[in-house]
Amino acid sequence: AQKITQTQPGMFVQEKEAVTLDCTYDTSDPSYGLFWYKQPSSGEMIFLIYQGSYDQQNATEGRYSLNFQKARKSANLVISASQLGDSAMYFCAMRGTNTGNQFYFGTGTSLTVIP
Amino acid sequence: EPEVTQTPSHQVTQMGQEVILRCVPISNHLYFYWYRQILGQKVEFLVSFYNNEISEKSEIFDDQFSVERPDGSNFTLKIRSTKLEDSAMYFCASSVVAGKNIQYFGAGTRLSVL
Repeated sequence: AQKITQTQPGMFVQEKEAVTLDCTYDTSDPSYGLFWYKQPSSGEMIFLIYQGSYDQQNATEGRYSLNFQKARKSANLVISASQLGDSAMYFCAMRGTNTGNQFYFGTGTSLTVIP
Repeated sequence: EPEVTQTPSHQVTQMGQEVILRCVPISNHLYFYWYRQILGQKVEFLVSFYNNEISEKSEIFDDQFSVERPDGSNFTLKIRSTKLEDSAMYFCASSVVAGKNIQYFGAGTRLSVL
């Protein structure tokens, strides 16, 4: 079974600072994908970044980067130069190649950017 | 930029009534999904649909739920007899089959069962 753990229910960051949102996972699949989504107060789920389990390099998408440590089974999201519009819920998700295409989500982290 | 669209954005219904939630996936995607998120909780998988049939479903997706692709663009979730505990945000998502298989989500339908 797949399991995603996000241990930070809420985080605060000063505008323009960097913040790391933690995500650990557990899976027996040899190959898997890790995803981060942003959910603003309006409710939609916005895809941010993807990391494949066999990718040699950490994924980056603009101000988002993923600190992937396979041995530790962690896939932390780093947001650089935080902006007020980054205030939202952030969900880590995983898909295992042996368990179909369904996503398993963590409980989320609420990020508040302080001006 | 192509997006997944869901209608309505908010649906209010009486317990025991049938509801149909509608989704238009991204046009070149072949895999479709429904998830739900009870208020304050994590997003949970309900069902995936490929090649005009259900490919996976969770324990939540019981006989009260059904999905259909009635035409070439719409993908629907039907709840036959709603219960109070069906109140949640329902998300539709779609993905291409191969590669990273990133799922793109719609803005959700908030279902309120009274």
